Amino acid sequence: QVHLVESGGGVVQPGSSLRLSCTASGFTFNNFAIHWVRQAPGKGLEWVAVVTYDGNNEYYADSVKGRFTISRDNSKNTVYLQMNSLGPEDTGVYYCAKDRSLKREIPMWCDFWGQGTLVTVSS
Amino acid sequence: DIQLTQSPSFLSPSVGDRVTITCRASQAMNGYLAWFQQKPGKAPRLLIYADSTLQTGVPSRFSGSGSGTEFTLTVSRLQPEDFATYYCQQFYIYPSTFGGGTKVQIK
Repeated sequence: QVHLVESGGGVVQPGSSLRLSCTASGFTFNNFAIHWVRQAPGKGLEWVAVVTYDGNNEYYADSVKGRFTISRDNSKNTVYLQMNSLGPEDTGVYYCAKDRSLKREIPMWCDFWGQGTLVTVSS
Repeated sequence: DIQLTQSPSFLSPSVGDRVTITCRASQAMNGYLAWFQQKPGKAPRLLIYADSTLQTGVPSRFSGSGSGTEFTLTVSRLQPEDFATYYCQQFYIYPSTFGGGTKVQIK
């Protein structure tokens, strides 16, 4: 069955960097885009970024553009989220999610999600 | 960016009730809306995609409808396990955006 595991979260100071990983199993990884979605404590969901199945295209939320970079290594079934210049507003649980559509150039629909990794930005 | 406004923000129905949640978009879009259910401490679960298509494994009491700028999620007969927070999400234009959520709490 589809399984996604996020890792790399932790407590960091404002201005720091952190790299999250999302390792997948149970499906043909290089056929599907992967999204990152975050949730601040007690708040709603915020879509963050997506990378297409082949890694050739990426899309970002305005709030993270220029600070975060999404990438993937299909040989390792892993997607990364490099987060730079972190601020308190970046605190939250970060989920990765598999796209529902096979080899779609414009990804849509997050059908399977990991359990999330917590990022806390605090001095 | 497309803004999604959900209403109501909070609902307190009884088991067996019919529940309707609305998601209004800041511009017209068809075929690009999804609905999610989230329980405390858990990851979201995809219920509906492409406005009205039921995700595999989701009970048929859930349905989605709408067009243009107004979309609805309906639960025909609320079950105890349906008490959760519901979100809409659009993929019409990137960046994708979520609605603010509707918390459905048992009466």
